[in-house]
This record gives sequence, C-alpha cells and structure tokens, in this order.
Amino acid sequence: EPEVTQTPSHQVTQMGQEVILRCVPISNHLYFYWYRQILGQKVEFLVSFYNNEISEKSEIFDDQFSVERPDGSNFTLKIRSTKLEDSAMYFCASRRAGLSTDTQYFGPGTRLTVL
Amino acid sequence: RKEVEQDPGPFNVPEGATVAFNCTYSNSASQSFFWYRQDCRKEPKLLMSVYSSGNEDGRFTAQLNRASQYISLLIRDSKLSDSATYLCVVKGGNKLVFGAGTILRVKS
Repeated sequence: EPEVTQTPSHQVTQMGQEVILRCVPISNHLYFYWYRQILGQKVEFLVSFYNNEISEKSEIFDDQFSVERPDGSNFTLKIRSTKLEDSAMYFCASRRAGLSTDTQYFGPGTRLTVL
Repeated sequence: RKEVEQDPGPFNVPEGATVAFNCTYSNSASQSFFWYRQDCRKEPKLLMSVYSSGNEDGRFTAQLNRASQYISLLIRDSKLSDSATYLCVVKGGNKLVFGAGTILRVKS
C-alpha cells in the first residue's frame, strides 16, 4: 500500500538555524499538507498546497515558514530561523483530488528538537 | 469555545468492554467528519469517516448528529490493541481540525 514518507525522522538543531523537512507524498495525490504537534498537545494545521501554490495557511505559518515542491515527488517545509517553540512533531499529509476523496494520509512525522 | 472538543480521559477499561467517546464541534458549516487513531509518538491514522446515517466497521460504530454538532464513537469488545488516543477530526475548508484526543487504555 502506498505511503507518505518523511525524512529525517528526527532533526536536532540550534536556535536560529534553518531546517528543511522533507516529505514524499503518495504518488497520485495532488493536495499536500503540513501539520505539527507539540508534545502533549493536539495536532495543528500549518499549510495546504495545491497546484504549486499555498491554498490555505494558519496563523502559525508566519514568514519564518515556507513550503516548496521542488520536483515531481518531494514536498518540503522550511523554517528559516528556528525558535525553541518550534520543537514539535511535523507531519506531512496528502490526498487525492476530488471532493469525495477527503481522506488525508499522514506520514510518520519528523521530530524537530530546537536547542 | 474550542473548534473540536473531546473528553481527554483516560478511559481505563477491561478487555471485552464496550466504550463510547463523544465529541462536539463548533462550526455548523463543517461537512466531513472522521475518527483518527494515534499511537504514542506516531502519526494519526484514519479509523473511519462519520456519516449522518451512522456507520459501522467491525467492532467500531460512528454516529453524527448535525443538529447537536455531536459525533460519537463506540468500540465493542475492546482489545488490548485498541489502546491508543482517539482523535475526533472535522474538515474545515481545506484543512483538518483536530480535537485534543481521548486516551483509551484497555487492560487484561
């Protein structure tokens, strides 16, 4: 069964450094998402991406964040200057096109630790 | 008011028990509803979608009451492997809005 994959599984960085989290969505999916989950808290939406542009973003997704689909398979989340409060699990998700196919499939996540 | 509200639990039940979780949502315009399951430090995995007519998948039954903005999940004959956090999820626009989750612990 096709899966969303994410790399790395764990990233440790120093405050102020840039990080890039990588995702490979399911191959025939057209909608891509990033969510995050701070330890002990709920899963929160960051951004959705369709047709090579952001379709929706949350208040969390400020100027420090950006997303890109640099080629036909990868979908990346960049944090320009990490803060301590960016420490969280970051989940990538994807879904097929069409209103009837609402299911979003999640990757295993990248644990980001900012020191 | 929180967008999606759940009783955090934990629910501690013996194997074989029936357990029910409830969830309320605030946006009456929401169109799609789901239960996801999350194991410790893992990704959310879709358990089932929730429809107005109610739906059943084996030991799991989900119900939606749009008038009350209320969603439920019933698990019959609980197994040890059902121990997890159950997330009530509502689709708002293009994104999923998650509840904080209800912890279930099934004991032998």
